[in-house]
Amino acid sequence: KQEVTQIPAALSVPEGENLVLNCSFTDSAIYNLQWFRQDPGKGLTSLLLIQSSQREQTSGRLNASLDKSSGRSTLYIAASQPGDSATYLCAVRNYGGSQGNLIFGKGTKLSVKP
Amino acid sequence: GAVVSQHPSWVICKSGTSVKIECRSLDFQATTMFWYRQFPKQSLMLMATSNEGSKATYEQGVEKDKFLINHASLTLSTLTVTSAHPEDSSFYICSATGGKSYGYTFGSGTRLTVV
Repeated sequence: KQEVTQIPAALSVPEGENLVLNCSFTDSAIYNLQWFRQDPGKGLTSLLLIQSSQREQTSGRLNASLDKSSGRSTLYIAASQPGDSATYLCAVRNYGGSQGNLIFGKGTKLSVKP
Repeated sequence: GAVVSQHPSWVICKSGTSVKIECRSLDFQATTMFWYRQFPKQSLMLMATSNEGSKATYEQGVEKDKFLINHASLTLSTLTVTSAHPEDSSFYICSATGGKSYGYTFGSGTRLTVV
């Protein structure tokens, strides 16, 4: 059974700092991995999608890497801003099964202090 | 980019009544739609998966007669919470995907409060 773990559960950094969020998964048989952002009381916003054949994806100040063999992904945020404060969720999409649903980690709550 | 519209964004209803939540994919055909439930400070819990034109597949522990899902077209899925009770109060989120190589796009969520 696929399990997704995110470390740390919460992170507080001063504005301008670079930071890394970690995600690990137990079963490497995945279609892809997706990073999301969720603001309080809101839905999920997709940040980056990495296919299983890819190693990384970049969008603006965000860079996500994927090491499928070791079951790890990182989300790197450069020059953090207070507006980056949110919960960041990592999710993998498995092979197999009739549903192909996303398996989520519990998230990392990021707070960027001005 | 892909957009999923979810309505209503919030609803308050009386205990015993039914509430319908809509999820629409606006610019792509969603072969599969998913319904999630999220409790405060918890991650998303998958409730059910629906493919267009077929019956939804429910996760273990989710009552299919209570949470009715209809996926009548490639762009619309609905979740109806029947005979709602206060314990059904939660944040419900839908998502849609166009296929296995695609990412998931999420709706903005619906805050349901049953009084």
